Amino acid sequence: GAGVSQSPRYKVAKRGQDVALRCDPISGHVSLFWYQQALGQGPEFLTYFQNEAQLDKSGLPSDRFFAERPEGSVSTLKIQRTQQEDSAVYLCASSIRQGRYEQYFGPGTRLTVT
Amino acid sequence: GNSVTQMEGPVTLSEEAFLTINCTYTATGYPSLFWYVQYPGEGLQLLLKATKADDKGSNKGFEATYRKETTSFHLEKGSVQVSDSAVYFCALSDGGADGLTFGKGTHLIIQP
Repeated sequence: GAGVSQSPRYKVAKRGQDVALRCDPISGHVSLFWYQQALGQGPEFLTYFQNEAQLDKSGLPSDRFFAERPEGSVSTLKIQRTQQEDSAVYLCASSIRQGRYEQYFGPGTRLTVT
Repeated sequence: GNSVTQMEGPVTLSEEAFLTINCTYTATGYPSLFWYVQYPGEGLQLLLKATKADDKGSNKGFEATYRKETTSFHLEKGSVQVSDSAVYFCALSDGGADGLTFGKGTHLIIQP
């Protein structure tokens, strides 16, 4: 079956531009997570949705980062006024529901801010 | 808070060698433990998992046993292949809304 998909795969933005990153989770998965992965590091949690409700956004690094999942399926991570330190791979993962279940990851979006 | 510590790489082995990648964790309660693998140019793939103490996860010749007494989940494979070259991440989940906690990853290089 279809896995988690993300678009675009690569994004180059000039400093100060706004970007929007899309995630299509596995159909029927209730839980959706966003992670940020810096070069040579493990992914770090950004935010979590259960259906359309954003239950945890404690990992978002600043108020320039905003995420939504309005209909409980597709999610968008938006970064306003991008900075160089925002350059990273942004990973989306979905899970059947909240709990100690495995998460399935998309291929990621590599964001480069110049 | 939760944390995962895994051996730093790169780890370089010859084909058919025995592999161990160490992973230890700190968590409240009883987390589930995972190994994910990231092949060059690809996303994270679940390699194996264990959900309770003494469980052994296995897949593609890799194994890891959930050791509660030593808070460890070491990854092993008896005979590695060049195609196993990748970055391996140990991770845990306590079921909370803050997702998985990952280690920093171990870059494995297998030479023919």
